Amino acid sequence: DGGITQSPKYLFRKEGQNVTLSCEQNLNHDAMYWYRQDPGQGLRLIYYSQIVNDFQKGDIAEGYSVSREKKESFPLTVTSAQKNPTAFYLCASNALNTDTQYFGPGTRLTVL
Amino acid sequence: GENVEQHPSTLSVQEGDSAVIKCTYSDSASNYFPWYKQELGKRPQLIIDIRSNVGEKKDQRIAVTLNKTAKHFSLHITETQPEDSAVYFCAASIYQGGKLIFGQGTELSVKP
Repeated sequence: DGGITQSPKYLFRKEGQNVTLSCEQNLNHDAMYWYRQDPGQGLRLIYYSQIVNDFQKGDIAEGYSVSREKKESFPLTVTSAQKNPTAFYLCASNALNTDTQYFGPGTRLTVL
Repeated sequence: GENVEQHPSTLSVQEGDSAVIKCTYSDSASNYFPWYKQELGKRPQLIIDIRSNVGEKKDQRIAVTLNKTAKHFSLHITETQPEDSAVYFCAASIYQGGKLIFGQGTELSVKP
């Protein structure tokens, strides 16, 4: 788990602003994921990427965008089109030849 | 697509009792089933997993059973302790290294 970092830990956004959440891993993992977690709910997949320069939409991609220019980095942008972005955001990664997915510490985003 | 249902949503037990959490999945092609524990404000941590070629796996006080015919799997925690209190998530995956579909989570409370 220590090989996956997310920043910042807390983020405050004004309505109408875009914000970018950082996710970095030094585990040489091929696949990376972004999840959203709301209070009392499970983990919902936003986007995932299995190789550099390629990514796929998850179940709730609307209002979010990602990039995968480097293997170790998978930033998530929460755009102004996301109407209810207040949530806990978790990044995860795994190697393609294994099943185990490891999570970063998360970023708590609050819209003011 | 794959769907994972998890029950119960909350579970309260006395210290020393056993706890059982159940999940059902919809896609018979699913072949990997991890369980994660998430303490308040922390990242999910993998506690045990099972693959479809195994019916049961045990690790100290924790065990997971899988019934492929009925498409359900369960987490069993014996001799519960207050530090077992957390939210537990089940998940399923169709192929190695692929995305996980999570259940809604179970909040376990162990009362001393």
